[in-house]
Amino acid sequence: NAGVTQTPKFQVLKTGQSMTLQCAQDMNHNSMYWYRQDPGMGLRLIYYSASEGTTDKGEVPNGYNVSRLNKREFSLRLESAAPSQTSVYFCASSEVLAGGFEQFFGPGTRLTVL
Amino acid sequence: ELKVEQNPLFLSMQEGKNYTIYCNYSTTSDRLYWYRQDPGKSLESLFVLLSNGAVKQEGRLMASLDTKARLSTLHITAAVHDLSATYFCAVDQAAGNKLTFGGGTRVLVKP
Repeated sequence: NAGVTQTPKFQVLKTGQSMTLQCAQDMNHNSMYWYRQDPGMGLRLIYYSASEGTTDKGEVPNGYNVSRLNKREFSLRLESAAPSQTSVYFCASSEVLAGGFEQFFGPGTRLTVL
Repeated sequence: ELKVEQNPLFLSMQEGKNYTIYCNYSTTSDRLYWYRQDPGKSLESLFVLLSNGAVKQEGRLMASLDTKARLSTLHITAAVHDLSATYFCAVDQAAGNKLTFGGGTRVLVKP
């Protein structure tokens, strides 16, 4: 049981390049999320997917697109990277609890845009 | 818009002493979460608080939730070096099970 996995772990891009961050979970969770964490700050929600086939914008969606490929996989795409997108990106999935839920986070992808 | 504020932002602790981290939030919610993050690592779930008056304890950490005051506290008893980390609270936005995070409290426990 690997939990939430992300690839790659590190990436350096030049301004204007594109890339896709991959996320997969093996816990059979319906909901999945993408966050970014800037230095010294908390996490901010980029996009989320409440179930397979649905996606919605979070707090900071500009410059990103997502695809919920199936129940396990949720990818984040940067079409034209900008230095402001330098950050650590975390994927998460959530388990429903009685009265709430619990989110489980992947190890993160450290992205630098030059 | 939901805002979540933690204080202090940084806490230098002495081993053996007790400390409290505060988490205030701006809109009604009954669900609050505490996470721990070690440097360069991911987030680890500490506590899930799902109702007013909820109290959870694990080892030297105890978290409580007062939904009327829109306040949660994370109390550290007899701090030890292993508790050095950044602690985040997060509040459920209710629709879509989405979390809004506080800015974090960086804890450093000195001998």
